[in-house]
Amino acid sequence: EAGVTQFPSHSVIEKGQTVTLRCDPISGHDNLYWYRRVMGKEIKFLLHFVKESKQDESGMPNNRFLAERTGGTYSTLKVQPAELEDSGVYFCASSQGCGTQGLAKNIQYFGAGTRLSVL
Amino acid sequence: ELKVEQNPLFLSMQEGKNYTIYCNYSTTSDRLYWYRQDPGKSLESLFVLLSNGAVKQEGRLMASLDTKARLSTLHITAAVHDLSATYFCAVDSVGDSGGGADGLTFGKGTHLIIQP
Repeated sequence: EAGVTQFPSHSVIEKGQTVTLRCDPISGHDNLYWYRRVMGKEIKFLLHFVKESKQDESGMPNNRFLAERTGGTYSTLKVQPAELEDSGVYFCASSQGCGTQGLAKNIQYFGAGTRLSVL
Repeated sequence: ELKVEQNPLFLSMQEGKNYTIYCNYSTTSDRLYWYRQDPGKSLESLFVLLSNGAVKQEGRLMASLDTKARLSTLHITAAVHDLSATYFCAVDSVGDSGGGADGLTFGKGTHLIIQP
């Protein structure tokens, strides 16, 4: 079974440009999460999809970030325009369930991340 | 705001030694996860701890949870080089009364180097 895949693995862009990150969750996982780790800091939650709906986007830093999950399969995270402080590693995770649905189903499986460098 | 603190953040040790990584958290959530990350790879789920006193073991790693102290430990027994990695603890606050965000709240990670 394929795991969570993310593309690209690395991206180097200039300030002001646009970048789109993609995440393919494990097949059948309704829940999809985006996280970000800025250098030296913790991995921080950005948002959570249940199927195609945004369940919680409280962690999104500002309106330069736009996440979509059309059709409830893969998701994209667009940064436009990118700023220097957006540099970091962006992780995607997926799970079958969430909350109190069943604890084994809550386990989030992570992709390898996309390392974004904004110059 | 939910906080998760790990210590130490960096640990260099020799093969054959024992050591413990600590994870303190500030919420009443009883769901705690340990992940392992190798450089450039995804976070691999190691343990899920769900109740007070829970103890899980896999090979040379053993994790425990004390919900009263809001403390989890990851103990390494007779370390081997293959265990070198970054270890994260994370707390799931979904469903608790605090109304926290849906995602996991992570510690900063413990970068573990085991030298032959």
